[in-house]
Amino acid sequence: KQEVTQIPAALSVPEGENLVLNCSFTDSAIYNLQWFRQDPGKGLTSLLLIQSSQREQTSGRLNASLDKSSGRSTLYIAASQPGDSATYLCAVGDSGGYQKVTFGTGTKLQVIP
Amino acid sequence: KAGVTQTPRYLIKTRGQQVTLSCSPISGHRSVSWYQQTPGQGLQFLFEYFSETQRNKGNFPGRFSGRQFSNSRSEMNVSTLELGDSALYLCASSSGLAGGRSTDTQYFGPGTRLTVL
Repeated sequence: KQEVTQIPAALSVPEGENLVLNCSFTDSAIYNLQWFRQDPGKGLTSLLLIQSSQREQTSGRLNASLDKSSGRSTLYIAASQPGDSATYLCAVGDSGGYQKVTFGTGTKLQVIP
Repeated sequence: KAGVTQTPRYLIKTRGQQVTLSCSPISGHRSVSWYQQTPGQGLQFLFEYFSETQRNKGNFPGRFSGRQFSNSRSEMNVSTLELGDSALYLCASSSGLAGGRSTDTQYFGPGTRLTVL
């Protein structure tokens, strides 16, 4: 059974700081990995999707990397802004099933102006 | 292009009742997945439908069921509601690949907040 862990559970940083969020998974036989953000009381917004054959993806100030062999992914946020405050979730696509996705526990990020 | 829509947004029911939630995917998307989100368990996968067929199911009791219509709209039903069913229910759609696994990004709706009293 796939287990996905995110550390830290919460993070508070001053505006402008670069930061790294971590995601680890127990079964390396994944199909893809996706990073989402969730604002309070709202649905999820997709940030980046990395296929199992890829090592990283970039979008603007965000960069996500994937190391399947070690069961890890990181989300790097450059020059953080107060608008980045949200809960960040990583989701692992199971190679054994169609769209069977296991979500991590999330990291709640607060960027202080 | 309109996003994923879910109705209703909020729902209050009492124990023992049953409830039906609706999800309309992005136009052209054929895969719809449902998730339950609670503070204690986080986000948990319920099931996924593609072209009216359930392709995958999470570890939830049989009280949770779903279906997908020919226009890709999906409904999920929870019978004999329990207090522990109080949660945010999220629906996600992706374009899907005919006959194969979807490698596409999932797009989430705003969710339906279900409260069971």
